[in-house]
This record gives sequence, structure tokens and C-alpha cells, in this order.
Amino acid sequence: DGGITQSPKYLFRKEGQNVTLSCEQNLNHDAMYWYRQDPGQGLRLIYYSQIVNDFQKGDIAEGYSVSREKKESFPLTVTSAQKNPTAFYLCASSTDRSQPQHFGDGTRLSIL
Amino acid sequence: GENVEQHPSTLSVQEGDSAVIKCTYSDSASNYFPWYKQELGKRPQLIIDIRSNVGEKKDQRIAVTLNKTAKHFSLHITETQPEDSAVYFCAAKRTGGFKTIFGAGTRLFVKA
Repeated sequence: DGGITQSPKYLFRKEGQNVTLSCEQNLNHDAMYWYRQDPGQGLRLIYYSQIVNDFQKGDIAEGYSVSREKKESFPLTVTSAQKNPTAFYLCASSTDRSQPQHFGDGTRLSIL
Repeated sequence: GENVEQHPSTLSVQEGDSAVIKCTYSDSASNYFPWYKQELGKRPQLIIDIRSNVGEKKDQRIAVTLNKTAKHFSLHITETQPEDSAVYFCAAKRTGGFKTIFGAGTRLFVKA
């Protein structure tokens, strides 16, 4: 389903640089999520937002920041404080937190 | 803390055979159990889910069973086809909670 768009598909980060991953949804969903996926591991929650201007830390929030200024947008910034940022990042959304999540196609972040 | 264990990590079957993936969860308050299929380089897609008020759910060749007492749930795929080859993730969640706990995934190979 094309309702969740993540960009870019591939991203490279230099030492000491902050990078921002985009996530946009046109599903009119209230809840949005960011996950990190490493090889051989399940998805781990970075941040969660239930509504505009509200977000909560997940299990691995250190070195990441988010904003939720619009319902349809939930960008993730990987800061220079995140020492091991190489991973596949997935954005998801759901009608509310009790409903199934739908995922975007992901952004693969690598270190230069 | 909360976790979901998933077995096996890799499963290889012959086309037409059945495949079974098993998960165990630790949070006894979990009452929603989705299964996701992720093809290489693509987004996870919800294939079936079950809530704790039922013990089994079926959708064509896919079925999920839940044993709340033992905190086990399983995915059964019958008459496997090459296009079933993918990584499958189980997950557990409390209704009303925002955190979904994912298993580490099972890579299924269906040999033609």
C-alpha cells in the first residue's frame, strides 16, 4: 500500500553529522512509529507518537529525536550522538494504538 | 523485561509441505498477536493476527493458534509455495499499550 512514504531509500551519514529521515502518511492515522531493524533481530521501537505535538520514547531512543508538527508527518533525526546508526529504519502508522500497524518501505542508513 | 522468542531462525521446506513457526511471549498481559511477512528489501506486511479471546484463526493457507496459558502462539502455512519465501515476524502487544514487541524473525525458504 502506498499510504506511507519514507524517503530517502538510502542515506549515508558522515562522522559528526545529523541526518533526518522523512515519513509521510496519507491514511489519516493518528499514531505513528519509528523502528530500527538490525540483521538477525526483530524491530525495536525508537519513538512513538499518538497525536500531533505528542511523542514518547521507545526502547532505544538515545541518539534520536523526532517531531510531530503535522498529523501526516513524523520525521526522525539521527544525531551524531548515535554511535552505531547503520541500520534499516522503518516508519509505521495505525488508526490508533490499538489497531494493526502499517509500514513504509524503509530507509537504509549507512556510515561513510 | 518484555520479550518474544521466535523459533526457528531459519526454516527450509519443500514446495507443498507445511511450515510452522513458534513464538513465546513473556508479558502475560499481552492480548494481541500479529504476524508480519517481510520480503527482501521490502516493508513488513501484516498477514494475520489474533486476539486473546480466540484460540485459532485461519485465512486460506495461513492459520495462527494461541495458547494463553502457556504463552505460546504459532503460525502454520500449508501447501507452501515459492512466493511464501520471506522473513516472518511474530509480535505481541497489550491492547491499549503503544509498544509492540517483535520476535527476531524466521527466514523461510520454500524450495521448488
